[in-house]
Amino acid sequence: ILNVEQSPQSLHVQEGDSTNFTCSFPSSNFYALHWYRWETAKSPEALFVMTLNGDEKKKGRISATLNTKEGYSYLYIKGSQPEDSATYLCASLNNNAGNMLTFGGGTRLMVKP
Amino acid sequence: DTGVSQNPRHKITKRGQNVTFRCDPISEHNRLYWYRQTLGQGPEFLTYFQNEAQLEKSRLLSDRFSAERPKGSFSTLEIQRTEQGDSAMYLCASSSLGVREKLFFGSGTQLSVL
Repeated sequence: ILNVEQSPQSLHVQEGDSTNFTCSFPSSNFYALHWYRWETAKSPEALFVMTLNGDEKKKGRISATLNTKEGYSYLYIKGSQPEDSATYLCASLNNNAGNMLTFGGGTRLMVKP
Repeated sequence: DTGVSQNPRHKITKRGQNVTFRCDPISEHNRLYWYRQTLGQGPEFLTYFQNEAQLEKSRLLSDRFSAERPKGSFSTLEIQRTEQGDSAMYLCASSSLGVREKLFFGSGTQLSVL
Protein backbone atom coordinates (compact mmCIF):
# COMPACT_ATOMS: atom_id res chain seq x y z
CA ILE A 1 0.00 0.00 0.00
CA LEU A 2 1.41 3.38 -1.03
CA ASN A 3 1.83 6.13 1.52
CA VAL A 4 0.82 9.48 0.06
CA GLU A 5 1.25 12.46 2.36
CA GLN A 6 -0.01 16.01 1.93
CA SER A 7 1.02 19.09 3.82
CA PRO A 8 -0.18 21.25 5.35
CA GLN A 9 -3.44 19.63 6.46
CA SER A 10 -5.13 23.01 6.46
CA LEU A 11 -4.27 26.52 5.46
CA HIS A 12 -5.89 29.93 5.96
CA VAL A 13 -4.86 32.72 3.61
CA GLN A 14 -6.09 36.19 2.76
CA GLU A 15 -7.62 36.97 -0.60
CA GLY A 16 -4.85 37.88 -3.01
CA ASP A 17 -2.17 35.80 -1.29
CA SER A 18 -0.34 33.17 -3.28
CA THR A 19 0.05 29.78 -1.69
CA ASN A 20 1.37 26.30 -2.31
CA PHE A 21 0.90 22.78 -0.98
CA THR A 22 3.00 19.65 -1.08
CA CYS A 23 2.20 16.07 -2.02
CA SER A 24 4.78 13.37 -1.21
CA PHE A 25 4.57 9.90 -2.70
CA PRO A 26 6.81 6.84 -3.11
CA SER A 27 9.06 7.37 -6.11
CA SER A 28 9.60 3.69 -6.89
CA ASN A 29 7.46 2.29 -9.72
CA PHE A 30 5.79 5.67 -10.17
CA TYR A 31 3.23 5.91 -12.97
CA ALA A 32 0.97 8.95 -12.52
CA LEU A 33 0.06 11.74 -10.09
CA HIS A 34 -3.42 13.30 -9.95
CA TRP A 35 -4.60 16.54 -8.32
CA TYR A 36 -8.27 17.14 -7.50
CA ARG A 37 -10.19 20.05 -5.98
CA TRP A 38 -13.13 19.14 -3.75
CA GLU A 39 -15.50 21.91 -2.73
CA THR A 40 -17.95 21.26 0.06
CA ALA A 41 -21.17 19.56 -1.12
CA LYS A 42 -19.79 19.12 -4.63
CA SER A 43 -17.93 16.41 -6.55
CA PRO A 44 -14.14 16.19 -6.56
CA GLU A 45 -12.97 17.87 -9.77
CA ALA A 46 -9.81 16.91 -11.59
CA LEU A 47 -7.17 19.61 -11.92
CA PHE A 48 -4.15 17.82 -13.36
CA VAL A 49 -2.78 14.40 -14.21
CA MET A 50 1.00 14.29 -14.55
CA THR A 51 3.24 11.42 -15.51
CA LEU A 52 6.69 12.73 -16.49
CA ASN A 53 9.45 13.94 -14.21
CA GLY A 54 9.67 17.71 -14.52
CA ASP A 55 6.09 18.04 -15.75
CA GLU A 56 4.56 21.45 -15.13
CA LYS A 57 0.88 22.07 -15.76
CA LYS A 58 -1.22 25.21 -15.46
CA LYS A 59 -4.94 25.94 -15.32
CA GLY A 60 -5.72 29.60 -14.83
CA ARG A 61 -4.16 30.70 -11.54
CA ILE A 62 -3.38 27.14 -10.48
CA SER A 63 -0.24 25.29 -11.49
CA ALA A 64 1.53 22.10 -10.47
CA THR A 65 4.98 20.60 -10.75
CA LEU A 66 6.17 17.02 -10.51
CA ASN A 67 9.43 15.48 -9.31
CA THR A 68 9.21 11.71 -9.69
CA LYS A 69 12.81 11.03 -8.67
CA GLU A 70 12.38 12.49 -5.21
CA GLY A 71 8.66 11.76 -4.98
CA TYR A 72 6.93 15.10 -4.60
CA SER A 73 4.55 17.44 -6.35
CA TYR A 74 3.72 21.06 -5.58
CA LEU A 75 0.42 22.77 -6.26
CA TYR A 76 0.54 26.57 -6.52
CA ILE A 77 -2.34 29.03 -6.41
CA LYS A 78 -1.54 32.57 -7.47
CA GLY A 79 -3.64 35.39 -6.06
CA SER A 80 -6.03 33.22 -4.02
CA GLN A 81 -9.73 34.03 -4.26
CA PRO A 82 -12.53 33.00 -1.87
CA GLU A 83 -13.84 30.61 -4.55
CA ASP A 84 -10.54 28.70 -4.30
CA SER A 85 -11.60 27.55 -0.84
CA ALA A 86 -11.74 23.75 -1.05
CA THR A 87 -9.87 20.60 -0.14
CA TYR A 88 -7.09 19.79 -2.57
CA LEU A 89 -6.33 16.10 -2.96
CA CYS A 90 -3.42 14.42 -4.63
CA ALA A 91 -3.37 10.76 -5.64
CA SER A 92 -0.54 8.56 -6.83
CA LEU A 93 -0.54 5.51 -9.04
CA ASN A 94 2.35 3.11 -9.31
CA ASN A 95 3.05 0.44 -11.89
CA ASN A 96 2.15 -2.40 -9.54
CA ALA A 97 -1.17 -1.00 -8.42
CA GLY A 98 -3.35 -1.66 -11.42
CA ASN A 99 -6.08 0.95 -11.35
CA MET A 100 -5.85 1.69 -7.65
CA LEU A 101 -5.15 5.37 -7.06
CA THR A 102 -3.89 6.10 -3.54
CA PHE A 103 -5.03 9.45 -2.20
CA GLY A 104 -3.39 11.66 0.35
CA GLY A 105 -5.40 13.14 3.20
CA GLY A 106 -5.83 16.46 1.43
CA THR A 107 -5.03 20.09 2.17
CA ARG A 108 -8.00 22.16 3.23
CA LEU A 109 -7.64 25.73 1.96
CA MET A 110 -9.72 28.59 3.29
CA VAL A 111 -9.37 31.98 1.60
CA LYS A 112 -10.66 34.95 3.60
CA PRO A 113 -12.08 37.91 1.70
CA ASP B 1 -23.10 14.74 -20.55
CA THR B 2 -24.82 15.03 -17.19
CA GLY B 3 -21.87 13.89 -15.12
CA VAL B 4 -21.67 11.05 -12.65
CA SER B 5 -24.82 10.65 -10.59
CA GLN B 6 -25.07 8.95 -7.21
CA ASN B 7 -28.15 8.07 -5.19
CA PRO B 8 -29.10 8.57 -2.49
CA ARG B 9 -27.13 11.63 -1.36
CA HIS B 10 -27.61 10.70 2.26
CA LYS B 11 -28.49 7.45 3.99
CA ILE B 12 -29.10 6.92 7.67
CA THR B 13 -29.48 3.35 8.82
CA LYS B 14 -29.40 1.29 11.95
CA ARG B 15 -26.58 -1.08 12.70
CA GLY B 16 -27.20 -4.50 11.21
CA GLN B 17 -29.31 -3.27 8.30
CA ASN B 18 -28.36 -3.69 4.65
CA VAL B 19 -27.93 -0.67 2.40
CA THR B 20 -27.50 -0.27 -1.34
CA PHE B 21 -26.14 2.71 -3.24
CA ARG B 22 -26.37 3.41 -6.94
CA CYS B 23 -23.95 5.09 -9.32
CA ASP B 24 -24.72 6.18 -12.88
CA PRO B 25 -21.45 6.99 -14.66
CA ILE B 26 -20.98 9.22 -17.67
CA SER B 27 -22.60 7.23 -20.45
CA GLU B 28 -19.58 6.69 -22.69
CA HIS B 29 -17.27 5.71 -19.83
CA ASN B 30 -16.58 2.00 -19.58
CA ARG B 31 -14.53 2.21 -16.37
CA LEU B 32 -16.09 2.70 -12.96
CA TYR B 33 -14.56 3.03 -9.51
CA TRP B 34 -15.86 3.03 -5.95
CA TYR B 35 -14.02 4.88 -3.19
CA ARG B 36 -14.78 5.46 0.48
CA GLN B 37 -13.78 8.55 2.43
CA THR B 38 -13.88 8.99 6.18
CA LEU B 39 -13.45 12.27 8.01
CA GLY B 40 -9.94 13.66 7.79
CA GLN B 41 -8.75 10.97 5.39
CA GLY B 42 -8.37 10.85 1.64
CA PRO B 43 -10.61 8.64 -0.49
CA GLU B 44 -9.75 4.93 -0.16
CA PHE B 45 -10.06 2.61 -3.16
CA LEU B 46 -12.74 -0.08 -2.89
CA THR B 47 -13.23 -1.63 -6.31
CA TYR B 48 -12.91 -1.15 -10.09
CA PHE B 49 -15.02 -2.26 -13.05
CA GLN B 50 -14.22 -2.32 -16.71
CA ASN B 51 -17.54 -2.67 -18.46
CA GLU B 52 -19.41 -5.32 -16.43
CA ALA B 53 -16.29 -7.08 -15.15
CA GLN B 54 -15.09 -6.37 -11.61
CA LEU B 55 -11.35 -6.44 -12.20
CA GLU B 56 -9.95 -5.14 -8.94
CA LYS B 57 -11.10 -5.22 -5.35
CA SER B 58 -9.32 -3.83 -2.33
CA ARG B 59 -7.97 -6.44 0.07
CA LEU B 60 -9.21 -4.16 2.83
CA LEU B 61 -12.79 -4.63 1.68
CA SER B 62 -14.90 -6.73 4.02
CA ASP B 63 -16.96 -9.63 2.69
CA ARG B 64 -20.00 -7.64 3.74
CA PHE B 65 -19.38 -5.35 0.78
CA SER B 66 -20.38 -6.32 -2.72
CA ALA B 67 -20.54 -4.35 -5.93
CA GLU B 68 -22.12 -5.07 -9.28
CA ARG B 69 -22.29 -3.51 -12.71
CA PRO B 70 -24.64 -5.91 -14.47
CA LYS B 71 -24.89 -4.32 -17.90
CA GLY B 72 -21.73 -2.30 -17.90
CA SER B 73 -23.67 0.88 -17.22
CA PHE B 74 -24.84 1.76 -13.69
CA SER B 75 -23.32 0.13 -10.64
CA THR B 76 -24.58 -0.73 -7.18
CA LEU B 77 -22.65 -1.06 -3.95
CA GLU B 78 -24.28 -3.08 -1.19
CA ILE B 79 -23.21 -3.25 2.42
CA GLN B 80 -24.72 -6.07 4.44
CA ARG B 81 -25.10 -6.04 8.22
CA THR B 82 -23.84 -2.48 8.50
CA GLU B 83 -21.54 -1.50 11.36
CA GLN B 84 -20.85 1.93 12.81
CA GLY B 85 -17.40 1.83 11.22
CA ASP B 86 -19.04 1.78 7.80
CA SER B 87 -20.13 5.38 8.27
CA ALA B 88 -18.38 7.30 5.51
CA MET B 89 -18.80 9.10 2.21
CA TYR B 90 -19.01 6.59 -0.65
CA LEU B 91 -17.76 8.06 -3.90
CA CYS B 92 -18.18 6.73 -7.40
CA ALA B 93 -16.03 7.80 -10.36
CA SER B 94 -15.85 6.94 -14.02
CA SER B 95 -13.41 7.33 -16.86
CA SER B 96 -12.87 6.22 -20.43
CA LEU B 97 -9.11 5.72 -20.34
CA GLY B 98 -8.43 4.47 -16.85
CA VAL B 99 -6.31 6.13 -14.22
CA ARG B 100 -3.79 7.43 -16.73
CA GLU B 101 -6.36 10.16 -17.25
CA LYS B 102 -8.53 12.10 -14.86
CA LEU B 103 -11.46 10.52 -13.07
CA PHE B 104 -14.91 12.08 -13.04
CA PHE B 105 -16.49 11.82 -9.60
CA GLY B 106 -20.06 11.90 -8.38
CA SER B 107 -21.11 13.89 -5.34
CA GLY B 108 -21.10 10.79 -3.17
CA THR B 109 -23.47 9.06 -0.78
CA GLN B 110 -23.01 9.96 2.87
CA LEU B 111 -23.78 6.93 5.02
CA SER B 112 -24.46 7.23 8.73
CA VAL B 113 -24.85 4.02 10.71
CA LEU B 114 -26.50 4.54 14.11
